[in-house]
Amino acid sequence: NAGVTQTPKFRVLKTGQSMTLLCAQDMNHEYMYWYRQDPGMGLRLIHYSVGEGTTAKGEVPDGYNVSRLKKQNFLLGLESAAPSQTSVYFCASSYFPTVNNEQFFGPGTRLTVL
Amino acid sequence: AQSVTQLGSHVSVSEGALVLLRCNYSSSVPPYLFWYVQYPNQGLQLLLKYTSAATLVKGINGFEAEFKKSETSFHLTKPSAHMSDAAEYFCAVSVRDYKLSFGAGTTVTVRA
Repeated sequence: NAGVTQTPKFRVLKTGQSMTLLCAQDMNHEYMYWYRQDPGMGLRLIHYSVGEGTTAKGEVPDGYNVSRLKKQNFLLGLESAAPSQTSVYFCASSYFPTVNNEQFFGPGTRLTVL
Repeated sequence: AQSVTQLGSHVSVSEGALVLLRCNYSSSVPPYLFWYVQYPNQGLQLLLKYTSAATLVKGINGFEAEFKKSETSFHLTKPSAHMSDAAEYFCAVSVRDYKLSFGAGTTVTVRA
């Protein structure tokens, strides 16, 4: 099992450019999540999905969109990148239903917006 | 809403010394609590979790944590630090839903 994979690993954008981050999991998990990690702030939830075809906003959703067309994939889009979106982005997934909510994380995507 | 506070953004210990990372939570209902570790340039890996079965939880790599309801704490310890323990550690809380709230993280450095 590859677990949770993320593409790309690194990316540099100019302000106003768009991009899509891809997350894939092969564990048949129902729940998937996108986080951003910034120094001193831990991980903050951007969007999440409780199943194929569903998405919901997390703590910091502004400037991002997501789609979950297939159960194994969760895409995070930036329509018009801003320097404030420079961060490390992590995708995670978890089983459903479970009460202990262990999440499995991908290796991250380091994004720089100039 | 639940929240997590990790006391100390950086901890430096000598190899062989006790590692103690502090985590306090606020929650109106009994929480589930987690410690994750992040090695440099990697994703997060689960160290251990508290799900109400036992207050003292043992995890991987010799770490353990004790849930103390009266103190709303879930501190992480390891009796003897190893160089490989150098990493960032995150405490997280969930209250019976599918979302986690993370603390700001504590970076551990280990001195030879």
